[in-house]
Amino acid sequence: QKEVEQDPGPLSVPEGAIVSLNCTYSNSAFQYFMWYRQYSRKGPELLMYTYSSGNKEDGRFTAQVDKSSKYISLFIRDSQPSDSATYLCAMLMNTGFQKLVFGTGTRLLVSP
Amino acid sequence: DTGVSQNPRHKITKRGQNVTFRCDPISEHNRLYWYRQTLGQGPEFLTYFQNEAQLEKSRLLSDRFSAERPKGSFSTLEIQRTEQGDSAMYLCASSFNRGTEAFFGQGTRLTVV
Repeated sequence: QKEVEQDPGPLSVPEGAIVSLNCTYSNSAFQYFMWYRQYSRKGPELLMYTYSSGNKEDGRFTAQVDKSSKYISLFIRDSQPSDSATYLCAMLMNTGFQKLVFGTGTRLLVSP
Repeated sequence: DTGVSQNPRHKITKRGQNVTFRCDPISEHNRLYWYRQTLGQGPEFLTYFQNEAQLEKSRLLSDRFSAERPKGSFSTLEIQRTEQGDSAMYLCASSFNRGTEAFFGQGTRLTVV
């Protein structure tokens, strides 16, 4: 079993929809949770990160962490065709550890 | 351009040849990481530098792989005697102290034929 599980998709939604992307993990030592966006043949781009449980909002993006369930989510409001990309979750035990553990990524397609 | 820069962007090589990739991190970043990403997978950690010191290496980094970061600035990743299984995107990232804010370069796509 992988440490971080993520549905590869693709997830297809119409423009304007609310998108929910999720990851589950098995290692309770993870404390920092990141979301990256990766366009085809490009490097991952950091969207946001959260520490421990709770919510964090940045524009149209909201990240949620539920450590009791080992479940994290990224919500995208008012989705746009430009949001079409692969979304990767990544986790870190603490800032002293340098190894980000990634999910496989979920491919999102937003149609106009 | 103040982002992480990787060169070359693409490399095609014959099996058995040696290849070297370069990464120039964001200038004030003291931490530098190498990851490998294969199709349909997330990036996998290879190694990490703090300044010029290589502090952590993954089991994925076989004896054929070597990474350096002389003077704590740019880094190189060399693969000797390449194999077809080495075909992947090699990603470099950098951060300033905090592993939570690692910024990635565009990657070097290696194809071994």
